[in-house]
This record gives sequence, structure tokens and C-alpha cells, in this order.
Amino acid sequence: DAGITQSPRYKITETGRQVTLMCHQTWSHSYMFWYRQDLGHGLRLIYYSAAADITDKGEVPDGYVVSRSKTENFPLTLESATRSQTSVYFCASSESGMAIYGYTFGSGTRLTVV
Amino acid sequence: AQSVTQLDSQVPVFEEAPVELRCNYSSSVSVYLFWYVQYPNQGLQLLLKYLSGSTLVKGINGFEAEFNKSQTSFHLRKPSVHISDTAEYFCAALIQGAQKLVFGQGTRLTINP
Repeated sequence: DAGITQSPRYKITETGRQVTLMCHQTWSHSYMFWYRQDLGHGLRLIYYSAAADITDKGEVPDGYVVSRSKTENFPLTLESATRSQTSVYFCASSESGMAIYGYTFGSGTRLTVV
Repeated sequence: AQSVTQLDSQVPVFEEAPVELRCNYSSSVSVYLFWYVQYPNQGLQLLLKYLSGSTLVKGINGFEAEFNKSQTSFHLRKPSVHISDTAEYFCAALIQGAQKLVFGQGTRLTINP
């Protein structure tokens, strides 16, 4: 099915472990985004990408790494997970110049770091 | 810097009552404004958006929002809510020419029977 898919939906990991959250979109949208959702903070931008091999930091990038070797994939890696990274993570995409029509969001990954 | 403030973290209302969810933005340049809805355990869906033109914008599920430039507000309203409107609602802003949405903190709407 066309759309934006995040995996896994739920993940529990231990402090200090590396974990990668996957995001895949089928529209060939230029822009992709990673947000985290926390109570009282709404959604905060972690990283975004304007195209393959072009990424940039958002509001809260520390502790995260991204890559975009292919237009359709935008994985988010926590190199050494901490409890403060327990959150719900959302991936989103939009076509270049089309952000005014809104983003399309994935269903989210709920990550718990113990 | 651009910011979006949702004035209420939680809004409880009775079924069939009207509701208003408040949103203010701060930006020195023109912005586009959005409301998204997040139903339990789901991603965000676009409810409505203001780009230009009429300041009253109608969206899905009977919601509407009014853009007020002088008060830098974009409040969301529905004249009669249903149980199915229980969700979290996010206001967001996009600076003209930019690609990054800035979100407010969210308002949890709870409908009581």
C-alpha cells in the first residue's frame, strides 16, 4: 500500500544500546522529517532531510543520527539510548514546495528506554 | 523565532456542547497555519489549514478555524461535539518559503457523555 510506514510500532530497549527506527515512504516525496512527541512539549523536530544525502538538524538533534541514502527511506538512530529518549517518534514527509498542503505522518513508534 | 502556543493542555466538554481550542502564534513574517488531529494510538491527520483568503476556514468533521492576524490567533471551533471527537489537537505554523512545521504543545479534548 502507498503511504508512509514506520517500524517498529513499539520498542523497548536498554540504556546504552543502539536502536534504529525506520521510516519508508512510497510517494518519492523530497522532504522527510523526524519528530518526537512528549507530554507538555507537543511535537519537536529532531532532524529533517530535503533530499537524498541532504540532512539538517532540527530543534532537538542531540543523541540522534540520521541518514538518507535513498529518497524513500529515512532511518533515525539513537546511538546510545538514554531514558530521556523515551518518547513517541513520528516520521513525516512532504513534496518540495508543497509543505503548505501539510505533511503526511506515519503512525508513530513508541520507544521505551529502560 | 517562530513559536506556537496552545493555551489549554486539556479541554473537557459534554457531548453536543460547543468547543473552542485556542492557538496563538508568534512570527514576524507571514505564516501558514494548520490544525492536526491525533486519535488515540494513531498518527496525525490534517484537519484544516489557512493559506490565504477568507479568514474562516472549514475542515473535516465539522470543525472550523478563524485566522485573526491582529490577535495572531487561529482558534479551532466546533458547534456540537461528539464522543468520536475525543483526540489530541495540534496547532502548527509554517513560515512562508520554509518547509518546517512548528507545532504547539497540543490540547487534549475529552468528550463526556
